[in-house]
Amino acid sequence: SQQGEEDPQALSIQEGENATMNCSYKTSINNLQWYRQNSGRGLVHLILIRSNEREKHSGRLRVTLDTSKKSSSLLITASRAADTASYFCATDRLNNFNKFYFGSGTKLNVKP
Amino acid sequence: NAGVTQTPKFQVLKTGQSMTLQCAQDMNHNSMYWYRQDPGMGLRLIYYSASEGTTDKGEVPNGYNVSRLNKREFSLRLESAAPSQTSVYFCASAGTDTQYFGPGTRLTVL
Repeated sequence: SQQGEEDPQALSIQEGENATMNCSYKTSINNLQWYRQNSGRGLVHLILIRSNEREKHSGRLRVTLDTSKKSSSLLITASRAADTASYFCATDRLNNFNKFYFGSGTKLNVKP
Repeated sequence: NAGVTQTPKFQVLKTGQSMTLQCAQDMNHNSMYWYRQDPGMGLRLIYYSASEGTTDKGEVPNGYNVSRLNKREFSLRLESAAPSQTSVYFCASAGTDTQYFGPGTRLTVL
């Protein structure tokens, strides 16, 4: 079964609003990553957070990680129409850096 | 740098036919991966290769074989295609933590 699961499955907001997506996973991890996928394209890496980190920022992205709850959230602030895409979390497993497990994604629609 | 390239971009097969999906990366990465993406399912790992000369099964390896030809190339072979293998296939490579993805191959098996 998949390691990570995103919530919600779909999210529709107005341009300028913030978007929050959540990811839950099942086993202990080394790292958790977020990726974006535009329709019909490959995935693009957004941000990585390590298991000993609690929060990380990159531009308009803020990621948090709660290892006690086995969950992470991705916040996109001041969203733009260009942020419309699917967002996936990916985890590895403790002591196995080479295999990555993806959730089923959150489909974000930002209306202009 | 081209990054990760995949060929072909589209393919239609009949049940029972075989084909090989090609993947190459020019980032000198050790690890390479093959995933399939079905609607609403996210990505599922088929096979991966942690380094040249090694391959390992992922979550859904049945019906597939792989070859890590050299450090740059990692191919995925379907020996006898089935309609259940209709999907979009992505190749990825990774140096350390971050994966870089190819544009995908859209495969339809009739």
